[in-house]
Amino acid sequence: NAGVTQTPKFRVLKTGQSMTLLCAQDMNHEYMYWYRQDPGMGLRLIHYSVGEGTTAKGEVPDGYNVSRLKKQNFLLGLESAAPSQTSVYFCASSYWGQLSNQPQHFGDGTRLSIL
Amino acid sequence: DAKTTQPPSMDCAEGRAANLPCNHSTISGNEYVYWYRQIHSQGPQYIIHGLKNNETNEMASLIITEDRKSSTLILPHATLRDTAVYYCIVKGTGTASKLTFGTGTRLQVTL
Repeated sequence: NAGVTQTPKFRVLKTGQSMTLLCAQDMNHEYMYWYRQDPGMGLRLIHYSVGEGTTAKGEVPDGYNVSRLKKQNFLLGLESAAPSQTSVYFCASSYWGQLSNQPQHFGDGTRLSIL
Repeated sequence: DAKTTQPPSMDCAEGRAANLPCNHSTISGNEYVYWYRQIHSQGPQYIIHGLKNNETNEMASLIITEDRKSSTLILPHATLRDTAVYYCIVKGTGTASKLTFGTGTRLQVTL
């Protein structure tokens, strides 16, 4: 009963390095989301996807790219990491259409530090 | 999506009911009220949601006022493991079902 799985759980990068965060869900959800959470703040939406092959910007998209090549996977990329991107990143997924009132399910997060 | 207002913190004795209020005076007719919680730094955990009727599940009850401008999440018998930040979120069912998180209510359950 995996739900939403995020990889890796922890990572330390140097400024300017690149990396990709992976999110996988096994609930056949159409929608997937990437959020970031900074200390003392609520979650903020970075990018989201309403289906395979589609992505859209959230409220804080700068410095990130995403891809949804398969329905079950949603990748978040940092091309050139900056200290301001030090954060906890959460992935979520949900249904759409007639089931779009159903809740989003979240992963356990990726803790990313940029030095 | 409508904005919500929650108290920043609340305390509750273990075994007692925890009643967490939320104001959402600008809620629209097709917007649902969702409650999530976040324990320590884990991922947000869904608790319950409703449109206009009161709802109950194995975790909690949700009471929505008749005018839908406010709601209360009730944890009937709070335990220490219920200590968390609780988020009240109002969300429609548009093309992208985005959740807008505020700063929530930090519930501290004590012995």
